Amino acid sequence: AQKVTQAQTEISVVEKEDVTLDCVYETRDTTYYLFWYKQPPSGELVFLIRRNSFDEQNEISGRYSWNFQKSTSSFNFTITASQVVDSAVYFCALSETFSGGYNKLIFGAGTRLAVHP
Amino acid sequence: EAGVAQSPRYKIIEKRQSVAFWCNPISGHATLYWYQQILGQGPKLLIQFQNNGVVDDSQLPKDRFSAERLKGVDSTLKIQPAKLEDSAVYLCASSSKGQTPTDTQYFGPGTRLTVL
Repeated sequence: AQKVTQAQTEISVVEKEDVTLDCVYETRDTTYYLFWYKQPPSGELVFLIRRNSFDEQNEISGRYSWNFQKSTSSFNFTITASQVVDSAVYFCALSETFSGGYNKLIFGAGTRLAVHP
Repeated sequence: EAGVAQSPRYKIIEKRQSVAFWCNPISGHATLYWYQQILGQGPKLLIQFQNNGVVDDSQLPKDRFSAERLKGVDSTLKIQPAKLEDSAVYLCASSSKGQTPTDTQYFGPGTRLTVL
C-alpha cells in the first residue's frame, strides 16, 4: 500500500539555523510523484514542490532545497537560514493513481517546525 | 485569481446533530476534493469529484457523510448525525483537471468542526 512516513513530529530551531525535514515513502508504482506542502497557522495548505520519480536531480528554490533519493525512498526538505515565518506544519505527500487515471494524494502525518527568534 | 473559498470557518455542534460545509473551488477547476484532517494527522481524502460526478469516495463514511457537487461548481459536505470522532478540520481543494499528478491541488482555509 502507498504510505508516507514523516518520523519527526516536531522540530524546534533558532532563527538562521538550517533544518532538514525527513520524508520516507512506500509505493508499488514505477511512476509516481512526490509533493511538499506547507500549512501555516491560518490552516491553508500551500503547495511548495512536486517531483516525479524519473527526476532525481536535487532542486533549490531560494532558501529551500529538496533531496530526492529513489534508492532509499526518501524525499527530504531542507530550509537554509531558517526564519520565523517558516514556522508551520510541513506535509510530504505521494500521488496514487487509481481507476480511470485519476490521482489522489497520500499525506504523511506532518512535521511541525517552530523557528524561534 | 480568487482561491478556494470555504464556509463556515468554525462550527461547534453537539453529537448527533447535523452540520453542512460549503466549498467554492477556483473558477474553471474540474476536480474538487474534500479532506478530513484530524488533529496531529495529515489530510485524508474523503471524496473526489470530477465535474459533478464522484470518482472516489472509498474513504467516506457513507452511513453519516454525504457530499454533492451540483452543476459541477460548488460543493457541500454534510454529516448527519455527527459523532465525537468527527471533530477535525475539513479541507476543500480543487485542481484544473485531476487526471494527472502534475495537476496541482489548491486548498481552502478549512472548516474546523468541534463535536461536543
